[in-house]
Amino acid sequence: EPEVTQTPSHQVTQMGQEVILRCVPISNHLYFYWYRQILGQKVEFLVSFYNNEISEKSEIFDDQFSVERPDGSNFTLKIRSTKLEDSAMYFCASSVDRVHTGELFFGEGSRLTVL
Amino acid sequence: DQQVKQNSPSLSVQEGRISILNCDYTNSMFDYFLWYKKYPAEGPTFLISISSIKDKNEDGRFTVFLNKSAKHLSLHIVPSQPGDSAVYFCAATDQGAQKLVFGQGTRLTINP
Repeated sequence: EPEVTQTPSHQVTQMGQEVILRCVPISNHLYFYWYRQILGQKVEFLVSFYNNEISEKSEIFDDQFSVERPDGSNFTLKIRSTKLEDSAMYFCASSVDRVHTGELFFGEGSRLTVL
Repeated sequence: DQQVKQNSPSLSVQEGRISILNCDYTNSMFDYFLWYKKYPAEGPTFLISISSIKDKNEDGRFTVFLNKSAKHLSLHIVPSQPGDSAVYFCAATDQGAQKLVFGQGTRLTINP
């Protein structure tokens, strides 16, 4: 069964360092997303991406964050200068169609720990 | 700004009985609702959805009920099985959005 894969599964970094989280969405999916979950809290939307551009982003997704689809398969989230409060589980998701008409398929997540 | 609320952080149910998970929303623009299940160290997986034009959707042991006037939805699991033990998230979206808004989750434990 096709699945969304994410790397790394866990990354520990120092505050102020740049981090890149990688995702390989399901191959025929056209819509891509990043969500995060701070420990014990709800899953929060960060950004959605379609047709090589951001289609929607949350207040969390400030200038420190960026997304890219550098080739036909990868979808990356970059945090330029990490803060302690960026520590969370980051989930990549993809879907065939818009959120409103279909389900999102989530990866297993990348745990980011900022020290 | 909690547009989607799951007021019960946890629920414990005996195997074979009915599990009822509740969710309330405040945004009247929401017109599509989903339930996701999440096991530890895994991403959320889709369970069932309902459009606002319906008040009930059923898929095997899982049924979602929507009460638009009360801005309330519920997920019924009958009969509950040990493998249903997980965190359940309610999510909502509207026609123009490209995002899901999640509730805080309810941890369901099914006891043998």
